[in-house]
Amino acid sequence: DVKVTQSSRYLVKRTGEKVFLECVQDMDHENMFWYRQDPGLGLRLIYFSYDVKMKEKGDIPEGYSVSREKKERFSLILESASTNQTSMYLCATLGQGNNQPQHFGDGTRLSIL
Amino acid sequence: DQQVKQNSPSLSVQEGRISILNCDYTNSMFDYFLWYKKYPAEGPTFLISISSIKDKNEDGRFTVFLNKSAKHLSLHIVPSQPGDSAVYFCAASAYSGYSTLTFGKGTMLLVSP
Repeated sequence: DVKVTQSSRYLVKRTGEKVFLECVQDMDHENMFWYRQDPGLGLRLIYFSYDVKMKEKGDIPEGYSVSREKKERFSLILESASTNQTSMYLCATLGQGNNQPQHFGDGTRLSIL
Repeated sequence: DQQVKQNSPSLSVQEGRISILNCDYTNSMFDYFLWYKKYPAEGPTFLISISSIKDKNEDGRFTVFLNKSAKHLSLHIVPSQPGDSAVYFCAASAYSGYSTLTFGKGTMLLVSP
């Protein structure tokens, strides 16, 4: 079974803070993804990585950056948190090969006050 | 510009009856389609998928139908159970070197006893 672990289930931060969200996977998957989920908007892709030190922008990268120093860990960074970044953040992984599903962690509910 | 649309925000069904969740897409390059189920405060769980070379895929109580000419897919749950109550997301992928997913906004299914 694929295990995707997000470091915090709930997090409260203040406007302007630098925030780190961590995701670790145990399946040696090359691809990792960060999404945010908001009511009525579904899941939107922020950034993804297809290899160590490689990153690609998703649909809504503004205000975020990422880091992938090791294959198993993918970090999402909010450079200067704002209230409109209050959301559920979801990490996912995907192995090699065609037509495979992404596997998700349990999410981090982030509130920016 | 929504490429994957779930036009019903919610659906109510009685236990034992069939649940039919619908999804439409606009990008003709999509060749792999997935359904995810999500409970509150948890990450999405992969349910079932279908490749564009097929028109039906079945897994226990869950069946996905794909109509490529209409750019439409549907998820059938038979029989529906109260534990199926969750938000269901349709997702699609067009292989372009990266296996990213485009998600619909979700349909909340409520199965009442």
